[in-house]
Amino acid sequence: GAGVSQSPRYKVAKRGQDVALRCDPISGHVSLFWYQQALGQGPEFLTYFQNEAQLDKSGLPSDRFFAERPEGSVSTLKIQRTQQEDSAVYLCASSLPGQEKLFFGSGTQLSVL
Amino acid sequence: RKEVEQDPGPFNVPEGATVAFNCTYSNSASQSFFWYRQDCRKEPKLLMSVYSSGNEDGRFTAQLNRASQYISLLIRDSKLSDSATYLCVPKGWNYGGSQGNLIFGKGTKLSVKP
Repeated sequence: GAGVSQSPRYKVAKRGQDVALRCDPISGHVSLFWYQQALGQGPEFLTYFQNEAQLDKSGLPSDRFFAERPEGSVSTLKIQRTQQEDSAVYLCASSLPGQEKLFFGSGTQLSVL
Repeated sequence: RKEVEQDPGPFNVPEGATVAFNCTYSNSASQSFFWYRQDCRKEPKLLMSVYSSGNEDGRFTAQLNRASQYISLLIRDSKLSDSATYLCVPKGWNYGGSQGNLIFGKGTKLSVKP
């Protein structure tokens, strides 16, 4: 596609439920990032992939959060046993190798009730 | 000290005004700096990159002061369409030449009024 695609656009989950958020980066973009943005805050870094390799996962807030990119294109962010504090917009971004400009998707707004 | 600090605002200015935002960062090793713009309920989009001492693009001027570890964004002749949140973004470390993560500030909200 022309841009970074994320799905679903909105997700409502009951506390304790597992969720999976999908990111389809721009074709050819090697780098892929996940960010979490709470209301009124800036995006907070979660994790970074270069192709299929997860080079940095230092921003994942707990072991309930897991991300993968098995074939170096589509990525999935999984949150197990969701908690209310997980409610946020989850942004995915990608970029070309050697380029510093990030292209963001529209995000997935997760609401945990 | 937080990695990136910005005045959250809001800055309420009339059309045509000049407005400036400052941002301080704590990581002296940061080499690249960016300003991203985020409209309400939208994703961030790159506004400007800031290298060496600064950069100018039309009505927008970004400056970098490494000694004091701050970057600024100046908007001249404000337009209604400039209303948005402006995110200050120093770049983190690099991974052997590949890309490091960006550290976003909380943003400064600008509202331009007619």
